[in-house]
Amino acid sequence: AQSVTQLGSHVSVSEGALVLLRCNYSSSVPPYLFWYVQYPNQGLQLLLKYTSAATLVKGINGFEAEFKKSETSFHLTKPSAHMSDAAEYFCAVSEGAQKLVFGQGTRLTINP
Amino acid sequence: DAGVTQSPTHLIKTRGQQVTLRCSPKSGHDTVSWYQQALGQGPQFIFQYYEEEERQRGNFPDRFSGHQFPNYSSELNVNALLLGDSALYLCASSLDGTGVRETQYFGPGTRLLVL
Repeated sequence: AQSVTQLGSHVSVSEGALVLLRCNYSSSVPPYLFWYVQYPNQGLQLLLKYTSAATLVKGINGFEAEFKKSETSFHLTKPSAHMSDAAEYFCAVSEGAQKLVFGQGTRLTINP
Repeated sequence: DAGVTQSPTHLIKTRGQQVTLRCSPKSGHDTVSWYQQALGQGPQFIFQYYEEEERQRGNFPDRFSGHQFPNYSSELNVNALLLGDSALYLCASSLDGTGVRETQYFGPGTRLLVL
């Protein structure tokens, strides 16, 4: 079965600093990988997805992620954090054709 | 273009009761998936409906059941509620059931509290 591990349940950065949220996956087949963001009291919004095209995937709000097969990683980055980026971030891997398997989530805090 | 909508937004029930949650998919979508998100956890897949049939099911007991209507909307039913069923229930819709490569769009969720 596929699985996802997000390293760090809580990440805190200063406004304007680099954001790096880590995700490692386990998959027996070439994976489809996703990053979602969840703002307080809201559902999930897709940031970006990897579907075996380019290994560097650009998403919304200035986020991007790089698929590294050798490291089984799909880390999310943003060059310069903004206060509005404060939220919960979830990495997910597809299992079969129907379901997403999510990590535990990383809460991102932005310090002014 | 309306996104995925869910009702109600909040619900309080007592142990042993039954609850029905509702979901309307994004316009043009025909596939609905349900997820349970316990506090501080990532969402967990409950099941998916396509063409009014349950196509895949996660590791949830039979107390959890669902239905999809001809207009693609869906219901999630939970019987004999337990305290551990307290969670945010998320509905996600996608197009054509061709796989998870098709983006799943999530609704705002229904927050269920079981007392």
